Amino acid sequence: EIVLTQSPGTLSLSPGERATLSCRASQSVSSTFLAWYQQKPGQVPRLLIYGASSRATGIPDRFSGSGSGTDFTLTIGRLEPEDFAVYYCQQYASTPSWTFGQGTKVEIK
Amino acid sequence: EVQLVQSGAEVKKPGESLKMSCKGFGYSFSTYWIGWVRQKPGKGLEWMGIVYPGDSDTRYSPSFQGQVTISADKSISTAYLQWSSLKASDSAMYYCARGMIVGGFSAFNIWGQGTMVTVSS
Repeated sequence: EIVLTQSPGTLSLSPGERATLSCRASQSVSSTFLAWYQQKPGQVPRLLIYGASSRATGIPDRFSGSGSGTDFTLTIGRLEPEDFAVYYCQQYASTPSWTFGQGTKVEIK
Repeated sequence: EVQLVQSGAEVKKPGESLKMSCKGFGYSFSTYWIGWVRQKPGKGLEWMGIVYPGDSDTRYSPSFQGQVTISADKSISTAYLQWSSLKASDSAMYYCARGMIVGGFSAFNIWGQGTMVTVSS
């Protein structure tokens, strides 16, 4: 099973700052099969990025994804108040063992 | 509008059975994979398994294989997640979610509202 390790666990930033979230895989993952989700308290997860770098429909361009192999990054260009949430990476390359990372919480400093 | 609507919250006792549902609206239900995701209170997302309603092909995460049964009935555009004997540790929110692309494995872009399950004696 591919293990995804996200870092940091918590990121404390101010609105307007840039956020950089990391997702490291225990073995190589095709970038085609790497996604990022956002989840706010009490809400359903929302797809942000698929294929490592493609934004899902309706996602603002301040969200960007990059990476390949075992190292992937989600960048939020300038944090808006609504961006404070938990972010998860997910790989869907190795059926049936798709996995999520443990999450990174982006909190207001 | 494309949406997944899940059945309501459940309160069960240990050892009881449960079958929850996820009904698709606004798209061709048979042609997209449906996945199930568990989230325990205050914890992260755990992928449980997926089903292709077109032919009922089902894949399970090793962590959930043998613990749950995933199925689908394309005639009524509904996917199911069921337990034969619940444990207290099954208490969680359960989400169904639809893949992005027809027929293939992909990220989940449509999510149900979630079904909360509480298992307590």
